[in-house]
Amino acid sequence: NAGVTQTPKFQVLKTGQSMTLQCAQDMNHNSMYWYRQDPGMGLRLIYYSASEGTTDKGEVPNGYNVSRLNKREFSLRLESAAPSQTSVYFCASEPALGSHEQYFGPGTRLTVT
Amino acid sequence: DQQVKQNSPSLSVQEGRISILNCDYTNSMFDYFLWYKKYPAEGPTFLISISSIKDKNEDGRFTVFLNKSAKHLSLHIVPSQPGDSAVYFCAASAGWAGGTSYGKLTFGQGTILTVHP
Repeated sequence: NAGVTQTPKFQVLKTGQSMTLQCAQDMNHNSMYWYRQDPGMGLRLIYYSASEGTTDKGEVPNGYNVSRLNKREFSLRLESAAPSQTSVYFCASEPALGSHEQYFGPGTRLTVT
Repeated sequence: DQQVKQNSPSLSVQEGRISILNCDYTNSMFDYFLWYKKYPAEGPTFLISISSIKDKNEDGRFTVFLNKSAKHLSLHIVPSQPGDSAVYFCAASAGWAGGTSYGKLTFGQGTILTVHP
């Protein structure tokens, strides 16, 4: 039982490049989330998926897109990376929206130069 | 607009003493509060939570206190141990009255706790 896994662990991009961050969970959870963590800002919600087939914007969605590929997988795409997107990205899952306890992956550290 | 604030970026305590981490919130729709603990290079892990119908919840060395009138919560760790050294995030969630905010967590900025042997 691996919980929430994220790939890659580290990534360096040049401005304008694109990439997809992958997230998978094996806990049969319905809801999944993408956060970014920046110094002094805590964790901010980028996008979430309350259940398979639905996605919604969070607090800071600009510059990102998401896909809920199936119940297990939720990917985050940066179409044209910018230095402001340098951050640590965390994926999380929850049994259902509002069940209160989220389980986090280990994070992806992204640097955009 | 920071709806959940942790005003102390860091806290340093001696092993065996009490650690008190504080959190303030502004949104009256929040009705559930959580504390997460984060070690370097790992994701946050759930520590303890409290519903707005309670004013205290205890789990071993960890106790969370909620003062709704002051919109303030605190996490007490007694006794503190070096392994407790981590970043602590408080988070809040709105119930159905929160509309589109329902169920989503709003995090504070985090407090770095260092427990010295």
